Amino acid sequence: KQEVTQIPAALSVPEGENLVLNCSFTDSAIYNLQWFRQDPGKGLTSLLLIQSSQREQTSGRLNASLDKSSGRSTLYIAASQPGDSATYLCAVMASGTYKYIFGTGTRLKVLA
Amino acid sequence: DTGVSQDPRHKITKRGQNVTFRCDPISEHNRLYWYRQTLGQGPEFLTYFQNEAQLEKSRLLSDRFSAERPKGSFSTLEIQRTEQGDSAMYLCASTPLGSPYEQYFGPGTRLTVT
Repeated sequence: KQEVTQIPAALSVPEGENLVLNCSFTDSAIYNLQWFRQDPGKGLTSLLLIQSSQREQTSGRLNASLDKSSGRSTLYIAASQPGDSATYLCAVMASGTYKYIFGTGTRLKVLA
Repeated sequence: DTGVSQDPRHKITKRGQNVTFRCDPISEHNRLYWYRQTLGQGPEFLTYFQNEAQLEKSRLLSDRFSAERPKGSFSTLEIQRTEQGDSAMYLCASTPLGSPYEQYFGPGTRLTVT
C-alpha cells in the first residue's frame, strides 16, 4: 500500500530564506508526483508535476526534484516571501491508477 | 473560463440528517474525482467517474455515501444519516480527456456535523 510522508510538518522561516520541503513515498511504481499548495479553507492549486521519467521541474522560484528509486522528492523554494505561506502537499499517482495519494502536508509560514 | 465549482461551500447539519453536495467540473473534462480532507490531513480519495461511469470507489466510501454523475457532466455526493466523523472538507477535481494526471481541484465543501 502506497504511503506518502512529508517532513517537516510545519516550518516557520524569515522572509528571504531558501527552504526545502521533503516528501517520501513507499512504492516507487508511480506515474508521477505532484506538489500542490493549499491556502487555509481553500482548494488545491497545482505547483509542479513531475512525470516518473523526469528528474526535476522548475517554475519561477520553485524547483521540484524526483528520485523515484529512493522514493523521495524535494520542493525547493528560493527567496521565500510572506505570500508563500500556505500548506504544501505532495501527492503521487501510482502506476495502474488515476487517483492521487497525498501526504499530510507541510504548513509553511514566512515571516515578514 | 470557470474552474471546478462546488456547492454549497459550507454546510452545517445535525447528526442523522442527509446532505448532498454538487460539483460542476470544467467543461468537457471527462474524469471527475471526489476526495475527503479532514483537519490536518491530506486529501483522501473517495471515488471517481469517467463520463457517467463510476470506475473506482474507496473503502472509505461506506454504504451511507453515494455519488452520481448522471449525464457525465456535474456530479453529486450524498451522505445519509450523517455522523460527526463525516465532518471534513469534500473536494472535487476534474481532468481533461487525454491528460489524466492534471487534476484541477474545486474550492471544496466544508461539512460540519453537530
